[in-house]
Amino acid sequence: DGGITQSPKYLFRKEGQNVTLSCEQNLNHDAMYWYRQDPGQGLRLIYYSQIVNDFQKGDIAEGYSVSREKKESFPLTVTSAQKNPTAFYLCASSIPRGISNQPQHFGDGTRLSIL
Amino acid sequence: GNSVTQMEGPVTLSEEAFLTINCTYTATGYPSLFWYVQYPGEGLQLLLKATKADDKGSNKGFEATYRKETTSFHLEKGSVQVSDSAVYFCALTLYNTDKLIFGTGTRLQVFP
Repeated sequence: DGGITQSPKYLFRKEGQNVTLSCEQNLNHDAMYWYRQDPGQGLRLIYYSQIVNDFQKGDIAEGYSVSREKKESFPLTVTSAQKNPTAFYLCASSIPRGISNQPQHFGDGTRLSIL
Repeated sequence: GNSVTQMEGPVTLSEEAFLTINCTYTATGYPSLFWYVQYPGEGLQLLLKATKADDKGSNKGFEATYRKETTSFHLEKGSVQVSDSAVYFCALTLYNTDKLIFGTGTRLQVFP
């Protein structure tokens, strides 16, 4: 079955460390996204990529970085510059809207906590 | 700007009760509208969608109608089950963009 795999499910970071969250999809989708979810809030867009080797900042990109070297992979690095990284991180993918009106598909998320 | 407003939760119901979760939106152009559901500890799953005015999305007994005149997309279900307990997100995308704009989510708790 096709889907989106996020790993690890739980991640702990020490102060001053960078950590990388993995997101892999086998849906053959061109577009991929990273969201942050905080308690009682909706999802906020961190970064998105519509095609390999290209990505754009979302609404809350500061303190995060991404790469898109392969179509199926879109890893997110939470850097030490992100002062409040504790959150639930969700990765999604979709067929770009210009091709068809398809919704985004989500992974099961990674919960990041600060030690 | 473009935004989605949902009713605050939690919504607490007994099994077999009727459910309505309100959602209104502000958008330029002609958005597509979605309801996503998030079960505890999981990601989001698409529940239903509507892409133009008067469209009705439906799935698993849930329905929502795209009302352009009231800029609304309220979620309804005639008889909820305990297994429907989850957080429900209303969202929109604008024409020719891929970015989803989410509401803050509404937690539904259904008791036997």
